[in-house]
Amino acid sequence: SQTIHQWPATLVQPVGSPLSLECTVEGTSNPNLYWYRQAAGRGLQLLFYSVGIGQISSEVPQNLSASRPQDRQFILSSKKLLLSDSGFYLCAWSGTLYNEQFFGPGTRLTVL
Amino acid sequence: QKEVEQNSGPLSVPEGAIASLNCTYSDRGSQSFFWYRQYSGKSPELIMSIYSNGDKEDGRFTAQLNKASQYVSLLIRDSQPSDSATYLCAVIPGNYGQNFVFGPGTRLSVLP
Repeated sequence: SQTIHQWPATLVQPVGSPLSLECTVEGTSNPNLYWYRQAAGRGLQLLFYSVGIGQISSEVPQNLSASRPQDRQFILSSKKLLLSDSGFYLCAWSGTLYNEQFFGPGTRLTVL
Repeated sequence: QKEVEQNSGPLSVPEGAIASLNCTYSDRGSQSFFWYRQYSGKSPELIMSIYSNGDKEDGRFTAQLNKASQYVSLLIRDSQPSDSATYLCAVIPGNYGQNFVFGPGTRLSVLP
């Protein structure tokens, strides 16, 4: 069965510091991978998605970037965090672009 | 312009009652529809997907899709306190590309 991991689970970072969040998927090959952000009391906002190694599409302009160095690894980064980057970051995978997405446990980021 | 709309709630129902959650979407070409449940502080988990007009049942859950009215609903029979959560509707629009658009979610409270 497929499993999706995210770490760290929680993170508190000062404004201006760098960020690296990691997501890995087990039990499947060539998954489509997604990064979402959920601000407090808000809906899910798609940040990036990837259909393969090195292929990244950005949905909204922002302070963040994503990379996919391996088939089942997806990384979310920032060079300098802003207060507005606080939120619940969720990684998800799907077998195809039109099928169900399955979410990881998430990383709760607080920028102070 | 919001693409997927849900009543934010909270929707309160007594234990054992039927909870009815509604979602409307703006893109008439949408083909894929999903319901997720999200407990407070946790990541969304998939409940059901529906692709064709009509009803789809899975245990206590029934998804209903009416493409002509651009409406999808989720019925929860014999509601339990453990069903208390936020329910997210997600749609893959026909002309938006290939990515999910999530509604803001409806918070359900099942009262013992």
